[in-house]
Amino acid sequence: QVQLVESGGGVVQPGGSLRLSCAASGFIFSSYGMHWVRQAPGKGLEWVAFIRYDGSNKFYADSVKGRFTISRDNSKNTLYLQVNSLTVEDTAVYYCAKGGGTYYYFHSWGQGTLVTVSS
Amino acid sequence: QTVVTQEPSFSVSPGGTVTLTCGLSSGSVSTSYYPTWYQQTPGQAPRTLIYNTNTRSSGVPDRFSGSILGNKAALTITGAQADDETDYYCVLYMGGGINWVFGGGTKVTVL
Repeated sequence: QVQLVESGGGVVQPGGSLRLSCAASGFIFSSYGMHWVRQAPGKGLEWVAFIRYDGSNKFYADSVKGRFTISRDNSKNTLYLQVNSLTVEDTAVYYCAKGGGTYYYFHSWGQGTLVTVSS
Repeated sequence: QTVVTQEPSFSVSPGGTVTLTCGLSSGSVSTSYYPTWYQQTPGQAPRTLIYNTNTRSSGVPDRFSGSILGNKAALTITGAQADDETDYYCVLYMGGGINWVFGGGTKVTVL
């Protein structure tokens, strides 16, 4: 079955950077678009970024545009999110999610990795 | 800026029926927004309940159903059970510049 395992979270100072990773298995990774979705502590869900199956197009929420970069390595079945210029408002659990194809939804989710931005 | 609206909370009696809604601050929700519903228990990743307005995800009990009611998407829980007491989120696909917007979530209490 689909398995998504995020890693790379941690505590970082404001203005810092991290690279989050998501290792995928149980499906043909190179055939699916992939997302990052985040959830601040005690808050709701927020879509962050999407990358097409072949990496040809990338899309971002306005709140992260210019600071975050989504990428993928289909040879390693791995999704990435480079997060730069972090602020306290970026503190959240970051989930990767398998795209739902033509139904435009988040089919399967990982368990998430926590990013804490604090001085 | 588009805002997706959900009721903050809802109560339902065990065995009862509750309908949660998902609307837009401006305009109507249609199937073109591919409304999707997720259930999330504290500390866990979301679980897909309904996608493409009314398609149940694999393994989801048929007491969960999705629809369009008036100008909103709706999630109906029929025959509510104790373990349905948790948070529910809808999300809409906005197309255009390719983006998705979540509602603020509804906390369902079964009592």
